[in-house]
Amino acid sequence: DAGVIQSPRHEVTEMGQEVTLRCKPISGHNSLFWYRQTMMRGLELLIYFNNNVPIDDSGMPEDRFSAKMPNASFSTLKIQPSEPRDSAVYFCASSGTGTTQYFGPGTRLTVL
Amino acid sequence: GENVEQHPSTLSVQEGDSAVIKCTYSDSASNYFPWYKQELGKGPQLIIDIRSNVGEKKDQRIAVTLNKTAKHFSLHITETQPEDSAVYFCAPGDGGTYKYIFGTGTRLKVLA
Repeated sequence: DAGVIQSPRHEVTEMGQEVTLRCKPISGHNSLFWYRQTMMRGLELLIYFNNNVPIDDSGMPEDRFSAKMPNASFSTLKIQPSEPRDSAVYFCASSGTGTTQYFGPGTRLTVL
Repeated sequence: GENVEQHPSTLSVQEGDSAVIKCTYSDSASNYFPWYKQELGKGPQLIIDIRSNVGEKKDQRIAVTLNKTAKHFSLHITETQPEDSAVYFCAPGDGGTYKYIFGTGTRLKVLA
């Protein structure tokens, strides 16, 4: 039973470059979440999709961040251009009809 | 908005002893109270949750107690084992929505 799948697991890039993080939710789940985790700010919700539609993007830091969910089995979080302060671990989570959110293993992003 | 605090921020116990982590929240509308465990290099994983119509819930060595009047709930781990070493997060919220505010985390170390 595959859980939430994220790729890449680690990403190192230079300031100004475009970064794309990918997520495959658990099959059958209709809600998808992107979170960012840093030491300073903890775990923050960036955006929430329900049935592939963005419902709440109030946590997206600024216009450099964008997220898409073209179908029920795939989502991307893009940062363009990236900055050193974007360095963090980015988690994707999904949930079905219940309240439990199932987290992926995360992508550790380092922007030099 | 919701203000969530966890105490202590770090906790060291001897193997076999008990550990208690407390979460205080401010939003009286919160009715869903989960605890997540995050192991090194992994995403948070739900370990136990409780709803506001229940005062206590137990699952083997872990339990959660809720004091809704005082707006706090606690995670209790008995007979701690080295594999309990992790960071624990509370995330109170409205179980009817998707938005949970994660606490700042408690790093638990179980010393063998």
